[in-house]
Amino acid sequence: QVQLQESGPGLVKPSETLSLTCTVSGVSISLSSYYWGWVRQTPGKGLEYLGSIYYSGKTQYNPSLESRVTISADTSKNQFSLNLNSVTAADTGVYYCARVRDGYILVPFDSWGQGTLVTVSS
Amino acid sequence: EVVLVQSPGTLSLSPGERATLSCRASQTVSTTYFAWFQQKLGQAPRLLIHGTSRRAAGIPDRFSGSGSGTDFTLTISRLEPEDFAVYFCHQYDRSPWTFGQGTKLEIK
Repeated sequence: QVQLQESGPGLVKPSETLSLTCTVSGVSISLSSYYWGWVRQTPGKGLEYLGSIYYSGKTQYNPSLESRVTISADTSKNQFSLNLNSVTAADTGVYYCARVRDGYILVPFDSWGQGTLVTVSS
Repeated sequence: EVVLVQSPGTLSLSPGERATLSCRASQTVSTTYFAWFQQKLGQAPRLLIHGTSRRAAGIPDRFSGSGSGTDFTLTISRLEPEDFAVYFCHQYDRSPWTFGQGTKLEIK
């Protein structure tokens, strides 16, 4: 049974970089059947897709955030990470990592981490 | 980007009643790439329906999805106490993937 767990600082200063890691257990992130994404939930925009990383290492980002977002993976640790730079108060919210099943049928976000609250404040 | 607008914002019903939630897209969305999620307070969203009408694993058959083009519907045939939550529609057809703003289903 797959499990995802986010980790990282709960408080980030404005203009700095938000860095989160998602640790996956129960399945290898290197499997071609899946890719791995980040979704956040903010008071201003609700649920917002940030981007994903494929088993091949290829990434896909939300164009509205593409200049600030980087998603990477460490297959040796079965983890993938989110970096969001130049943060402002508008980036305050709950950040989720989630799995997308990519096979005969594309199934979005069928497993989620519990979410981690990140507050941007000085 | 595809904007998804859900209605109503809040739906007040009693257990045992039928719930109909709507989602309208600003552009045509393929039925293959449309989903619904349920979120309870303090929890992550849970996938209910994908591909417009396919129930995710473990989802009871009182949940059903339908629709095409720009109009999609989630129906809960007979509400159980655990169904009162917030529901989000989601399109994963066009980049960027987007979500609706949510419909809160509350106990009347």
